[in-house]
Amino acid sequence: SSELTQDPAVSVALGQTVRITCQGDSLRRYYASWYQQKPGQAPVVVIYGQNNRPSGIPDRFSGSSSGNTASLTITGAQAEDEADYYCNSRDSSGHHLVFGGGTKLTVL
Amino acid sequence: EVQLVESGGDLVQPGRSLRLSCAASGFTFDDYAMHWVRQAPGKGLEWVSGISWNSNTIGYADSVKGRFTISRDNAKNSLYLQMHSLRAEDTALYYCAKDVHLAIAGQLDYWGQGTLVTVSS
Repeated sequence: SSELTQDPAVSVALGQTVRITCQGDSLRRYYASWYQQKPGQAPVVVIYGQNNRPSGIPDRFSGSSSGNTASLTITGAQAEDEADYYCNSRDSSGHHLVFGGGTKLTVL
Repeated sequence: EVQLVESGGDLVQPGRSLRLSCAASGFTFDDYAMHWVRQAPGKGLEWVSGISWNSNTIGYADSVKGRFTISRDNAKNSLYLQMHSLRAEDTALYYCAKDVHLAIAGQLDYWGQGTLVTVSS
C-alpha cells in the first residue's frame, strides 16, 4: 500500500477552485511534488519543491503544505485540467520515493 | 530541449531478463539524479529505482530489490535498468525521469514517453 494517501476522485465546476490533498508522514520532512497525467500521455510536473511551478504551467496551479498534508490548488479550473493527479515525495528513509495513489479530477 | 527516450521494452516470459535504456539529451546529464517509474495498465505510478549523479546513491522499491539493477553511463548520457527474474506483476509502462537535483530529491521535472514491458507466457 502507498505511504501517501490521496482521494481517488474529486470534481469541480468549471471556473471554480479545487484542492487536491496528499497525506503522509514523510511530508512532515520532505516537499511533495505534483504531476498531471492525461490519458495516453506521460506525467507532467505541475508543482515541485516549495511551490515551484515549471515554465509553461499556468499560475492557477499552486502548492502548499501543512504538517503531514500537501495540497495542490487549482484556482479557476479549466476543462483542460481534467486529468489524474499524483503526488510524490521521498519516503522516511530519504533514498526512496513514494507516489500517492492518484486523484482523478473531473471538471464539470 | 530536454529529451528522454526509453527503449528495450518487450514481451518476455516469466523468469526471463530484460534491459531497458534511456537516452538523455538537452541537459547536462551528469548534473542530475535519474529515476525509473512504472505504471501497470490502468494503475497508478510506482517508483522503481533512482540513482544519484555519480552513482554513489542508489535506491530500489521493495518490489524489485534484488531483481533489478539501475546504472548510468554519464559519458553516453544514458540510464539503464537491468531486470531479472521478471514476473507477471512487472508488466507495466516504464518511464525514465529526471530529478531536479544531483542527489535523489524525488522531484521529477522531465519524463520520457515510456517503454512497455509485458511479462507473460
